[in-house]
Amino acid sequence: ILNVEQSPQSLHVQEGDSTNFTCSFPSSNFYALHWYRWETAKSPEALFVMTLNGDEKKKGRISATLNTKEGYSYLYIKGSQPEDSATYLCAFIKGAQKLVFGQGTRLTINP
Amino acid sequence: DTAVSQTPKYLVTQMGNDKSIKCEQNLGHDTMYWYKQDSKKFLKIMFSYNNKELIINETVPNRFSPKSPDKAHLNLHINSLELGDSAVYFCASSLQGSYEQYFGPGTRLTVT
Repeated sequence: ILNVEQSPQSLHVQEGDSTNFTCSFPSSNFYALHWYRWETAKSPEALFVMTLNGDEKKKGRISATLNTKEGYSYLYIKGSQPEDSATYLCAFIKGAQKLVFGQGTRLTINP
Repeated sequence: DTAVSQTPKYLVTQMGNDKSIKCEQNLGHDTMYWYKQDSKKFLKIMFSYNNKELIINETVPNRFSPKSPDKAHLNLHINSLELGDSAVYFCASSLQGSYEQYFGPGTRLTVT
C-alpha cells in the first residue's frame, strides 16, 4: 500500500447499532496515524493520534486500534447515535508532520 | 475564541484574477499548513511553514504563493486563477513535535 485507503467509503447504520471501519496505510517508516471526525460544513476535528503498535485509544463510545506491522487501524463506534453521523478520516504521518489523508468513511446513522 | 480562522469563507471570482486567502491561529502553534480538498474529496497538503520558514512545498503550480508574516498567520495568494483552482482550501496549525493538527473552517473558492 502506497497511500491511505479507507473502507467502506460510506456506511448506513441503525441508531443503537455498533459499527467499525478500516484504515490501511504503508507499514514502513511509520510515524503516527490520526483519526479525524469531519461534520459537514465544519472543520475536521481530531479524535485520536496513535503512535505505537498495539495502541488502543478510547473517547466515550468511540475507540480505535492500531497495527503498524500490517498497516491497519480500526475505528469502532458503540451504540451509534444520530450525532455520530460524519465523515471519519484517517491520516498517515509521512515525516516532517506531513499528513496524507484517506478519502474517509461517510457514516450516516438512521434514527 | 476561534482557534484557527480563515477569511473569507466563500470566494467567487473570475478566471485570470489574483486573490488571497488569510489564515490566523491563536493557539500559540509554530507550524501552519494549507490543504486543498480536491474533486474526489481528498485533503492534500500544499504547503507547511514552521516559524515562518517553508518546510513542505508539494507539487503546486507557481501561481500559488504562501506567505507567513508571523507564526500566527499563513496567507495563500493565488495568481491568474484557473477553473481547476475551484476547491475548498483548509488551513491548519500544530506545535512542532506534536502530530495533532487543528483545522480552520475552510474557504470555498469558486472560479468562473
